[in-house]
Amino acid sequence: AQRVTQPEKLLSVFKGAPVELKCNYSYSGSPELFWYVQYSRQRLQLLLRHISRESIKGFTADLNKGETSFHLKKPFAQEEDSAMYYCALDNYGQNFVFGPGTRLSVLP
Amino acid sequence: SAVISQKPSRDICQRGTSLTIQCQVDSQVTMMFWYRQQPGQSLTLIATANQGSEATYESGFVIDKFPISRPNLTFSTLTVSNMSPEDSSIYLCSLGPPYQPQHFGDGTRLSIL
Repeated sequence: AQRVTQPEKLLSVFKGAPVELKCNYSYSGSPELFWYVQYSRQRLQLLLRHISRESIKGFTADLNKGETSFHLKKPFAQEEDSAMYYCALDNYGQNFVFGPGTRLSVLP
Repeated sequence: SAVISQKPSRDICQRGTSLTIQCQVDSQVTMMFWYRQQPGQSLTLIATANQGSEATYESGFVIDKFPISRPNLTFSTLTVSNMSPEDSSIYLCSLGPPYQPQHFGDGTRLSIL
């Protein structure tokens, strides 16, 4: 079955420190993976998708098929990065399967 | 991209009542989805709303509790029936193909007393 795991429920880092939000998946086929972000009291919004290989707000994520991972990274965390982050898997072009989410807290 | 309008944005309801949530899109969409986000939890898919046919429900969700309508390609409703405090959640609609990745509405924050 398709599944997305995010082992950390909460991740706290200091401003300027590197941050890595972990995501692992199980999927039979060629996965398409995404990171969504939800700032406090705001709509869930797409942060990035693996196929575009772009950097949004300084965040990057690389799909590692061997380790079935799609970790989200940023070299220097900012306070405004504090939010809930969800890793999601495209379920055969239909609905999405979401991970449980990681709350990132960037401390001043 | 598409513009999604979801109503109401929030509501407080009495136990045992029902509430219908609307999701309006400014363009035609083949698939619309309804998700639930319980407090402190991730998103869980309730059902896929198909135009012209019955919704497809995920395990753990039934039509009697969450009836869904999809009268056309730009509109869908989700009703939360016979509500109990456990139904207090954020309910979100989202758009599937041709909009990929999925676009989400602002959500409806529902509290049951």
